[in-house]
Amino acid sequence: RKEVEQDPGPFNVPEGATVAFNCTYSNSASQSFFWYRQDCRKEPKLLMSVYSSGNEDGRFTAQLNRASQYISLLIRDSKLSDSATYLCVVNTGGFKTIFGAGTRLFVKA
Amino acid sequence: EAGVTQSPTHLIKTRGQQATLRCSPISGHTSVYWYQQALGLGLQFLLWYDEGEERNRGNFPPRFSGRQFPNYSSELNVNALELEDSALYLCASSLEGSMNTEAFFGQGTRLTVV
Repeated sequence: RKEVEQDPGPFNVPEGATVAFNCTYSNSASQSFFWYRQDCRKEPKLLMSVYSSGNEDGRFTAQLNRASQYISLLIRDSKLSDSATYLCVVNTGGFKTIFGAGTRLFVKA
Repeated sequence: EAGVTQSPTHLIKTRGQQATLRCSPISGHTSVYWYQQALGLGLQFLLWYDEGEERNRGNFPPRFSGRQFPNYSSELNVNALELEDSALYLCASSLEGSMNTEAFFGQGTRLTVV
């Protein structure tokens, strides 16, 4: 089993739709979690950190479920510019940061 | 302020040769991380350097090595290149070594082994 698993997609959604991605992790000692966004042929950039209490940034909401060992990203009112690959990142402390393979999202007009 | 810079942007080598990739972190960042992004495989952790020392390495053979210089810039060396080494190599830096803070990535070096 991979340490961090994501549904590779692609997710094809119309503008304005709500879309959610899940990411599961295998190490229960994992300490911090992030979502990164990677545009085609570009470097990954931090989208948001994921806190135990959940956090929201505009149209984006991130949740952490430690009991079931997954994190989620919800995008509301999708925009064309949201088309990208979304990478789940899990840090287990003492430096071991694992990136998921990414979920591709295509938002269409 | 300059971000993470990597050079070269593209590199073409033949099988068996050696490749050297370079990375300059953001000013003030002491930790540098190297990742390999092969097609369809996502980001695979290669190496972590902090304060000039190798702190951790991923599941890659010893022919992947590197170092960090006193100015915190870093080199990744890949010896005895194989076709499967063709990938985008990304360097990232962060302010703290635990990567609990945001990591900033360079634009990568695309290595092609023919």
